[in-house]
Amino acid sequence: ELKVEQNPLFLSMQEGKNYTIYCNYSTTSDRLYWYRQDPGKSLESLFVLLSNGAVKQEGRLMASLDTKARLSTLHITAAVHDLSATYFCAVDLSAATNKLIFGTGTLLAVQP
Amino acid sequence: NAGVTQTPKFQVLKTGQSMTLQCAQDMNHNSMYWYRQDPGMGLRLIYYSASEGTTDKGEVPNGYNVSRLNKREFSLRLESAAPSQTSVYFCASSENEQYFGPGTRLTVT
Repeated sequence: ELKVEQNPLFLSMQEGKNYTIYCNYSTTSDRLYWYRQDPGKSLESLFVLLSNGAVKQEGRLMASLDTKARLSTLHITAAVHDLSATYFCAVDLSAATNKLIFGTGTLLAVQP
Repeated sequence: NAGVTQTPKFQVLKTGQSMTLQCAQDMNHNSMYWYRQDPGMGLRLIYYSASEGTTDKGEVPNGYNVSRLNKREFSLRLESAAPSQTSVYFCASSENEQYFGPGTRLTVT
């Protein structure tokens, strides 16, 4: 059974600190997505990682993909309150169908 | 350019009632998807459509039917709603990357 596991499930951190969210998956895939979801809202695309070794950065967030280890990371640098949200990784089963399997999400709360 | 739109935004049903959730996209994407999101969980794929006229089951298809009416529209039907179908439903479309609609919050009592 395909599994996509995120950890931690909940992360409370102080402003200015750094932290990493991990996404492990159990199948072969070289395409992975990161999304952000604010409470009561839809999903917003953050990063699209399409190959082994891919690294993308936007502001205080940086995502990477290691397909051999079946691991993606989302690194937060110098967190600010506006980053508080739930973050999901999603593994693409097939480029042909673009069917995604989502992780359970990481609820990030950045405290002042 | 509205992206992906869904109607209704909220719905309350009694057990056994039926309803159809509507989804439309204006990005000329071939693929469309229906997901459900339950509290504390990620999204789970219900059905998807790779192109007009084709549909296929996802992880949790039981209790649902879909119709890909044309390239723009993909509807999800609950024939006999059950409390276990209380959830938030998201539609998405894609051409390599998925774009999500605003969601429909459904409660079945």
